[in-house]
Amino acid sequence: DIQMTQSPSTLSASVGDRVTITCRASQSISIWLAWYQQKPGRAPKLLIYKASSLESGVPSRFSGSGSGPEFTLTISSLQPDDFATYYCQQSDSYPYTFGQGTKLE
Amino acid sequence: EVHLVESGGGLVQPGGSLRLSCGDSRFTFSSYWMSWVRQAPGEGLEWVANIKGDGSEKHYMDSVKGRFTISRDNAKNSLYLQMDSLRAEDTAVYYCTRLDRSGYFEYWGQGTLVTVSS
Repeated sequence: DIQMTQSPSTLSASVGDRVTITCRASQSISIWLAWYQQKPGRAPKLLIYKASSLESGVPSRFSGSGSGPEFTLTISSLQPDDFATYYCQQSDSYPYTFGQGTKLE
Repeated sequence: EVHLVESGGGLVQPGGSLRLSCGDSRFTFSSYWMSWVRQAPGEGLEWVANIKGDGSEKHYMDSVKGRFTISRDNAKNSLYLQMDSLRAEDTAVYYCTRLDRSGYFEYWGQGTLVTVSS
């Protein structure tokens, strides 16, 4: 199975900050990586797919980059609505696996 | 607008069974892979199973193989997850998702809670 490791697990930041979350796969997954945002008591929401494609309706302050084993999610200027938990997910091979999550507080 | 709605969750004893359902009539259901993803209380996300649009291909995570069965009825725009031999570690919110062909979960239901406890 492909292991997905996110860092950091918790990130403290302030409104207006530029923040970066890293996701590393245990083997190359090309660009088959997605990022999700989840708020407490809510279903996850897709932000980024194929490593760097922005999902329709997602603010442009979110961006994704990377390929192979290492990827990043960047929020260019943190807004109050962005405080949530973020997950990466690989779809290169079964079983699909998620990172353990990064809580942005 | 896609609007997936799950039902069927609840409290069940260890070793028991439960059947989850999910439906949405707002898109051509048979054209899409569908999936179940779960989240144990306070934990991260875990993919459970996928099924192809015509039902001809299915994939499962190892820990549910032989116990869970994913199926669909395209005439009813419905997705199912039959869960047998349930264990305490299956306790989670189960989300129904629509899968893009690249393997990401583009739409999610609100989730249904399954609690396995005596």
